[in-house]
Amino acid sequence: QVQLQDSGPGLVKPSETLSLTCAVSGYFISSFYYWGWIRQSPGKGLEWIGSVYHGGSTFYNASLKSRVTISIDTSKNQFSLKLSSVTAADTAVYYCARQYCSSDSCPGAFDIWGHGTMVTVSS
Amino acid sequence: SYELTQPPSVSVSPGQTASITCSGDKLGDTYACWYQQKPGQSPVLVMYQDNKRPSGIPERFSGSKSGNTATLTISGTQAMDEADYYCQTWDSSTAHVVFGGGTKLTVL
Repeated sequence: QVQLQDSGPGLVKPSETLSLTCAVSGYFISSFYYWGWIRQSPGKGLEWIGSVYHGGSTFYNASLKSRVTISIDTSKNQFSLKLSSVTAADTAVYYCARQYCSSDSCPGAFDIWGHGTMVTVSS
Repeated sequence: SYELTQPPSVSVSPGQTASITCSGDKLGDTYACWYQQKPGQSPVLVMYQDNKRPSGIPERFSGSKSGNTATLTISGTQAMDEADYYCQTWDSSTAHVVFGGGTKLTVL
């Protein structure tokens, strides 16, 4: 059974860097899937942050691109998110998810999600 | 930027059919998928590639697409289906994942 476990600090100070990790179990991260980060501000909808492929290919939301780095560590079977220069607007639940890939749809839907980590930006 | 438009809310009586739409200028050229999210929980994929149902999703959930509008249909809606529903697609021209704004389904 594939499981994603996201982890990281629940409180980050303004202007600092938010760092989260998503550990994948039950599946090799170097297989044919993308891996993504999505966030949800309190009471709001889903916002895609970015996605990474095990070969190193990354896609980022243009609105966050200057502050986001998503990386993958195949040796630890995990992937990570770094968001720099955070402000209160970055307060949200951050989800990691596996992004489905097929021959005619890649990257596609997010088929497995982590439980989410609530990150509050506050001094 | 590319947007997917959903109605903010849809209401349905138990046992009736609920339809949630998702419109986007390029949706006719790409696949749509749908997520269900209940309060305090992570989203769950309920439909992918327009009309494919993941394992474990009840048969009362179905998907379709006509032109630039995708529709998630729930037949025989149950109280447990009350949730927020989001559509999503991949915009290959900008290499972006795009989510709709979400629809709150109320089962009255």
